[in-house]
Amino acid sequence: GDSVTQMEGPVTLSEEAFLTINCTYTATGYPSLFWYVQYPGEGLQLLLKATKADDKGSNKGFEATYRKETTSFHLEKGSVQVSDSAVYFCALTDSGAGSYQLTFGKGTKLSVIP
Amino acid sequence: DVKVTQSSRYLVKRTGEKVFLECVQDMDHENMFWYRQDPGLGLRLIYFSYDVKMKEKGDIPEGYSVSREKKERFSLILESASTNQTSMYLCASKSETGFLNTEAFFGQGTRLTVV
Repeated sequence: GDSVTQMEGPVTLSEEAFLTINCTYTATGYPSLFWYVQYPGEGLQLLLKATKADDKGSNKGFEATYRKETTSFHLEKGSVQVSDSAVYFCALTDSGAGSYQLTFGKGTKLSVIP
Repeated sequence: DVKVTQSSRYLVKRTGEKVFLECVQDMDHENMFWYRQDPGLGLRLIYFSYDVKMKEKGDIPEGYSVSREKKERFSLILESASTNQTSMYLCASKSETGFLNTEAFFGQGTRLTVV
């Protein structure tokens, strides 16, 4: 079946530091890839997405590029802020197994300190 | 503003009680999901539904059942609550149209404590 593997956290960074959260996937079909963010006390919300190879998703200064050759979708931000403290989930949707699948990684908790 | 609404933010129930968690979406989505979220384990799919009265087991259905009598409402039922079902429960919905490329919308979660 499909799976998503994220780097384990928690990750603690100082404000204005560079952020990378690694994400790799396995899929039977040709998936679309997503990053969701969960702020404290809230549900998940979409941060960005990419639907085909070499697409770059971007939002709020975050970026991720769909790399089919390395089956990866790493999340990056050049300068993090305290308000970016949250849990980040990499996810995919796929139809390769004959039915639609929605699969999440385990999440990476980011804490940004002033 | 699109919405997925879960009926309770916090619940405390006793062991053995029958517990109902309700989720309502206003986007006319065909697909609805129930996940539980636990530290170190991420989101695990309990059940999903792709149409009214249709349901499919997810990865951890044991001890749970679901009901979808109307398109907008998806209920999760704990038949006899146990302490190992203490968790955060998240409901989500997703359109069937463009399923692969469109986002899932989540409720704010219900933090259930079973004592």
